[in-house]
Amino acid sequence: SQELEQSPQSLIVQEGKNLTINCTSSKTLYGLYWYKQKYGEGLIFLMMLQKGGEEKSHEKITAKLDEKKQQSSLHITASQPSHAGIYLCGAGPPFGNEKLTFGTGTRLTIIP
Amino acid sequence: GAVVSQHPSWVICKSGTSVKIECRSLDFQATTMFWYRQFPKQSLMLMATSNEGSKATYEQGVEKDKFLINHASLTLSTLTVTSAHPEDSSFYICSARSGAFYNSPLHFGNGTRLTVT
Repeated sequence: SQELEQSPQSLIVQEGKNLTINCTSSKTLYGLYWYKQKYGEGLIFLMMLQKGGEEKSHEKITAKLDEKKQQSSLHITASQPSHAGIYLCGAGPPFGNEKLTFGTGTRLTIIP
Repeated sequence: GAVVSQHPSWVICKSGTSVKIECRSLDFQATTMFWYRQFPKQSLMLMATSNEGSKATYEQGVEKDKFLINHASLTLSTLTVTSAHPEDSSFYICSARSGAFYNSPLHFGNGTRLTVT
């Protein structure tokens, strides 16, 4: 089975600073999903990456998938309190199956 | 955007009773829904895949008779925790894929926090 490891496990960042969260897979990533979760709530879809070298941005969040498709990074620029939460990467298998395996999560705290 | 509604958002029940959790896709049809479980400060673990009109597919280690899943329509899946015990206390989240393609994103409900006393 595919395993996803995220680093760091937790991150405390001063408001306005940039930060990066990494997600590493034990196998090739066919579909890599980034979600955000506030504690005790559901997941909010952020972005999906499929192709090696792909990069997507939404507002101040940029996600990349490396060429080998085994590692993804999520970068937040000029962090804000609204960015606080738990970030989860999820991987989907190839065609015909929809189940996602999730990473261990990164808890992000933004301090003013 | 696609919305998945989960109800209730929290429930407290006594040990030995059963609890039903509903998951609805509000503006799209979902032939497949997924049920996840999350322990405090841990990631989500897939419990089962709910298939409309057929039996659910359970992940290894998940008791079928404990966690009953029914997917009676294209917009509703239910998870019933039968004869609940304190160790069943957890955060349960459902999800559904809004698009027809395998790579369409999964949309998640807001979760249900179950506490068994």
